[in-house]
Amino acid sequence: DIQMTQSPSTLSAPVGDRVTITCRASQSINNWLAWYQQKPGEAPKLLIQKASTLESGVPSRFSGSGSGTQFTLTISSLQPDDIATYHCQHYNNYPIMFGQGTRLEIK
Amino acid sequence: EVQLVESGGDLVQPGGSLRLSCAASGVTFHNYAMLWVRRAPGKGLEWVSSINGGGDSTYYADSVKGRFTISRDNSRSTLYLRMNSLRAEDTAIYHCAKSDCDSIGCKLIAFWGRGTLVTVSS
Repeated sequence: DIQMTQSPSTLSAPVGDRVTITCRASQSINNWLAWYQQKPGEAPKLLIQKASTLESGVPSRFSGSGSGTQFTLTISSLQPDDIATYHCQHYNNYPIMFGQGTRLEIK
Repeated sequence: EVQLVESGGDLVQPGGSLRLSCAASGVTFHNYAMLWVRRAPGKGLEWVSSINGGGDSTYYADSVKGRFTISRDNSRSTLYLRMNSLRAEDTAIYHCAKSDCDSIGCKLIAFWGRGTLVTVSS
């Protein structure tokens, strides 16, 4: 099974800051990597697929990068609406695996 | 507008059974593989099971294999999860999710429901 290691588990930053979340796969996942945003009490929402393809309607301050086993989600200028937990997920094969999640807070 | 609405979550004793349902609307249901994903308190998301659009191909996480059964009724646009021999570690919010295509190989989750809470406790 391919394990996903996400860091940090919690991140606190001021509005306007650039923030980065990292996800590492235990073996290559051929860029089959998705990022989801989950606000408290809500369903997760797909932000990015195929490591770097932004979903329609997602603000351009979000971006994804990486390849092979190392991937990052970057928010170029943190906004209050970005408060949420972010999850990475590989969909290279079964079993599908998620990272442990990163809770993003405003400092 | 796509909607996935889960129901059936409840408090159940260890060893008990439960059936979750997920009603889909705003989507041509049989065109998409569907998944169940759960999130235990204080933990990350965990994939549980997947089923293809036709309902004849399934996959399960090792943690639920032999205890849970995923199924679908395309005539009712409804997804199910039958859960038997429930354990305390099955306590979680269970999300119904839609993939982006119809085969069992479709593993990207394009849309999620809000979830239903299952609590396993005596």
